[in-house]
Amino acid sequence: AQTVTQSQPEMSVQEAETVTLSCTYDTSESDYYLFWYKQPPSRQMILVIRQEAYKQQNATENRFSVNFQKAAKSFSLKISDSQLGDAAMYFCAYRPFRGSSNTGKLIFGQGTTLQVKP
Amino acid sequence: GAVVSQHPSWVICKSGTSVKIECRSLDFQATTMFWYRQFPKQSLMLMATSNEGSKATYEQGVEKDKFLINHASLTLSTLTVTSAHPEDSSFYICSARPIRTGPVDTQYFGPGTRLTVL
Repeated sequence: AQTVTQSQPEMSVQEAETVTLSCTYDTSESDYYLFWYKQPPSRQMILVIRQEAYKQQNATENRFSVNFQKAAKSFSLKISDSQLGDAAMYFCAYRPFRGSSNTGKLIFGQGTTLQVKP
Repeated sequence: GAVVSQHPSWVICKSGTSVKIECRSLDFQATTMFWYRQFPKQSLMLMATSNEGSKATYEQGVEKDKFLINHASLTLSTLTVTSAHPEDSSFYICSARPIRTGPVDTQYFGPGTRLTVL
């Protein structure tokens, strides 16, 4: 069974600084998707960034980038120039790419609460 | 962008009563909808996968007779918590997977429903 692990329950960063959130996963699949979601105090889940496992190039979205290490099964999120609005709970998630088991369901990590200090 | 709504956003009910939560995809049709449960400061736990016109698939440990799911159309899924008890108090989130997807199909999340059972 696939699992996703976020080993940092809480992180803090100074405004304008850079922070990296860690995520590891376990799977026997070769093709899959990885995601980072943000959940602010409103509880609305917001997609931050996604990565297809078959792509070697790390995904980037403005101030957000990932370090995808497929062999190590690691998928960390880097937030550059942190802003107060980045304060939220961040979830790493895994989804199989295709196959009979692919219902599209996401497997989430435990989450990391990010605090941004002014 | 794709929008998913949930109704109600917050509900308080007495123990023993049933509560229905609606999840609607507003500007797209969804083949599959997912129902999650989230306790404070914890991750999202998938409860069930709902496909239009067929029975929902429940995750292990989720009582299907207690959490009734109906996916009546391509834009509406409902979750009914039957004979609710205080331990059912939680935050319930749905997500919807569009019929037509791009290179990476993405789920869109509703804003969640806070259920409090007295």
